[in-house]
Amino acid sequence: NAGVTQTPKFQVLKTGQSMTLQCAQDMNHEYMSWYRQDPGMGLRLIHYSVGAGITDQGEVPNGYNVSRSTTEDFPLRLLSAAPSQTSVYFCASSYVGESFPTYNEQFFGPGTRLTVL
Amino acid sequence: AQSVTQPDIHITVSEGASLELRCNYSYGATPYLFWYVQSPGQGLQLLLKYFSGDTLVQGIKGFEAEFKRSQSSFNLRKPSVHWSDAAEYFCAVGHMDSNYQLIWGAGTKLIIKP
Repeated sequence: NAGVTQTPKFQVLKTGQSMTLQCAQDMNHEYMSWYRQDPGMGLRLIHYSVGAGITDQGEVPNGYNVSRSTTEDFPLRLLSAAPSQTSVYFCASSYVGESFPTYNEQFFGPGTRLTVL
Repeated sequence: AQSVTQPDIHITVSEGASLELRCNYSYGATPYLFWYVQSPGQGLQLLLKYFSGDTLVQGIKGFEAEFKRSQSSFNLRKPSVHWSDAAEYFCAVGHMDSNYQLIWGAGTKLIIKP
């Protein structure tokens, strides 16, 4: 199993450009999420999904869109990149089961380092 | 505002010495508590979690954590660290007020002296 994969690993954008960060998992996990990690701030939740066709906003959703058309994929779209979106982005997935999703171990991808100039 | 605090940004420990990483939270009721570890250039991995029951929980890689309700703390410990433990450690909290989405501490970077 590949686990959680993210592409690209690195990306440089100019202000105003758009792009999509890809995330895929092969563990048949219902729950998927996107976080951003900034120095001194830990992880902050951007968007999450509890299954195909279901998404919800996290703590910092502005400037980002998501969709979940399949169980495996959960892309994150930056609509118009801004320097404030310079960060490391992590995708994670977990099994839901009978408890709330984040109680179960979240499996993280290796991250995408994004720089917006 | 509810928060998760890891007071130490960096901690330096000699190989073979004991380790304690601190985590405090400000939620009123007992939340769900987690410790994750991030090795350099990697994603995060779950070390252990606490939901209820015995307040001393065992995790992977020889780590343990103790929940202390009176101190709103969930400190991570290891009796003897190895050079491979050098990493960043994150405490996270899930609570009904956040719809159980995890709120993360800022992390503590562990440096191992040979």
